[in-house]
Amino acid sequence: DAGVIQSPRHEVTEMGQEVTLRCKPISGHDYLFWYRQTMMRGLELLIYFNNNVPIDDSGMPEDRFSAKMPNASFSTLKIQPSEPRDSAVYFCASSRQVRAFFGQGTRLTVV
Amino acid sequence: QQQVKQSPQSLIVQKGGISIINCAYENTAFDYFPWYQQFPGKGPALLIAIRPDVSEKKEGRFTISFNKSAKQFSLHIMDSQPGDSATYFCAASDFGNEKLTFGTGTRLTIIP
Repeated sequence: DAGVIQSPRHEVTEMGQEVTLRCKPISGHDYLFWYRQTMMRGLELLIYFNNNVPIDDSGMPEDRFSAKMPNASFSTLKIQPSEPRDSAVYFCASSRQVRAFFGQGTRLTVV
Repeated sequence: QQQVKQSPQSLIVQKGGISIINCAYENTAFDYFPWYQQFPGKGPALLIAIRPDVSEKKEGRFTISFNKSAKQFSLHIMDSQPGDSATYFCAASDFGNEKLTFGTGTRLTIIP
């Protein structure tokens, strides 16, 4: 298996623009997680899905953030409109029987 | 809020020495305790994990020690090597929902 695949690896966008981050989980995994990592706040869980259903989105910082998982093979995290404070590395992870595997992350820079 | 407290924030160890990172948790429902290793520019990678029915688990040079009564667990890296220089995160989860709560991370540097 290729592991968790995230795209793009790097994204630079202007404040106010819409940003969409993509994730392909490991086949057979029934949980999918979106995390944000910053120096100040460490690894923050934004939202997670079980069998494509959102379970807990209490970590989503604002209504500007939304996430979807239309099928078992794909998830998106959207920020609209983006702000400079959204600059961070965003990780997607998938798990089965609590063994979670992370993607390489998307480094987002909002200028 | 469920928390996992990790210390130290940073650690410098000489090559060949033992690196020790400690974590403490509050939620007694946690029943799975993994450690993740993260290199710059990469995602965290699962290193080793333990369940509370054992007090120690060893995989190569990496050992988790677990103290259920104290609600503490630690990672020991024996014969530390420069290639072990990375950030280490402890975590905990309730097997029922697989949501991981992470510690704040320890930046480990192994010097020659």
